Amino acid sequence: DQQVKQNSPSLSVQEGRISILNCDYTNSMFDYFLWYKKYPAEGPTFLISISSIKDKNEDGRFTVFLNKSAKHLSLHIVPSQPGDSAVYFCAASDPSGTYKYIFGTGTRLKVLA
Amino acid sequence: NAGVMQNPRHLVRRRGQEARLRCSPMKGHSHVYWYRQLPEEGLKFMVYLQKENIIDESGMPKERFSAEFPKEGPSILRIQQVVRGDSAAYFCASSPVPPPLGYTFGSGTRLTVV
Repeated sequence: DQQVKQNSPSLSVQEGRISILNCDYTNSMFDYFLWYKKYPAEGPTFLISISSIKDKNEDGRFTVFLNKSAKHLSLHIVPSQPGDSAVYFCAASDPSGTYKYIFGTGTRLKVLA
Repeated sequence: NAGVMQNPRHLVRRRGQEARLRCSPMKGHSHVYWYRQLPEEGLKFMVYLQKENIIDESGMPKERFSAEFPKEGPSILRIQQVVRGDSAAYFCASSPVPPPLGYTFGSGTRLTVV
């Protein structure tokens, strides 16, 4: 039972263009959503989060959008840089304990120079 | 200011052996979380510990797996009588109290069972 889904396993984008990574969820009780970035042989690094009471959160080149009615969130990276090439995980905080996260399966982003 | 330290980075065990994975939290952090990532899957929560206490072990398999975070020393995830299906990357994270949104993970231990 996959509560957080990332349906695109990979995405390629030209340097300087926008990268859009998508995530869908099934549980309307999720309070917070997070994006993590992971390079090979490293642990996931926290990138940005959004509360369920908001529909947008921005941090530099990274913006997360939340559409609660569609149970959908997306991460926008503008402009994309080669160093952004990594696997991006969407996660939601578990309503039974907000300290534990439910992760999607990840999307591998490749930014082409 | 070291981050979360996990060792070993790679661990190979034969079926039936024991695996011990260590996690030293960031300085000042008293809470530790363990996650497992199976091939082609996302990270899955296993256990949440504070020093000398297991707070939530709802994600731990019922048998062969145990975790501890003693008063002194690193947190240990122990897997007894390993099987091929235990092959995965095991990540540890730590946080202060209360846990902020988005805690810090270590680089992980990749366990291979042969």
